[in-house]
Amino acid sequence: AAGVIQSPRHLIKEKRETATLKCYPIPRHDTVYWYQQGPGQDPQFLISFYEKMQSDKGSIPDRFSAQQFSDYHSELNMSSLELGDSALYFCASSLGDKGRLGELFFGEGSRLTVL
Amino acid sequence: GQQLNQSPQSMFIQEGEDVSMNCTSSSIFNTWLWYKQDPGEGPVLLIALYKAGELTSNGRLTAQFGITRKDSFLNISASIPSDVGIYFCAGHPVGGNMLTFGGGTRLMVKP
Repeated sequence: AAGVIQSPRHLIKEKRETATLKCYPIPRHDTVYWYQQGPGQDPQFLISFYEKMQSDKGSIPDRFSAQQFSDYHSELNMSSLELGDSALYFCASSLGDKGRLGELFFGEGSRLTVL
Repeated sequence: GQQLNQSPQSMFIQEGEDVSMNCTSSSIFNTWLWYKQDPGEGPVLLIALYKAGELTSNGRLTAQFGITRKDSFLNISASIPSDVGIYFCAGHPVGGNMLTFGGGTRLMVKP
């Protein structure tokens, strides 16, 4: 079965650069979530989209922005990167109300390293 | 934000032993879920609980939604080496839509 696809899997950037992460949800899933996981930390919710509209917002810095496109894929744009942005970024998808119940399907993550 | 206190932080056990971990909160939760994360991978849903007092099993895993709606536990019976990983509790607090994660329990199994 198709899973959540994230790209790139690994990304190395310098401070103050910009990075873009992409997420392709499971086919027919209409909701996408972005999480950030620092080393040894639990995943922290950043932002989510339902039917291409922002649905919930968590601890996403103002330097970050995201959107969901007409084909339901989502992109997380990160600007003015800081060393503390180094983390695993997970995208998850869900179908309708299943997401409200916590049934999220996570991708394998994109590891961002800021030097 | 809502805080989930998960314990223990880590466990090192012998293969074949049973394992128990739990999650507590000072707030009431509408749902409790347990995820497992392998190194470098995304979390995978193991068990979802939606009603206070609910007890659910998935193979060797058993989890319960506490009657006070402020806690949950996960038991793993007869552990095997592939049970190694980080187990996260997660839940939706009352009035909140965001899935909140606990700090995780790192499980290590000695063959």
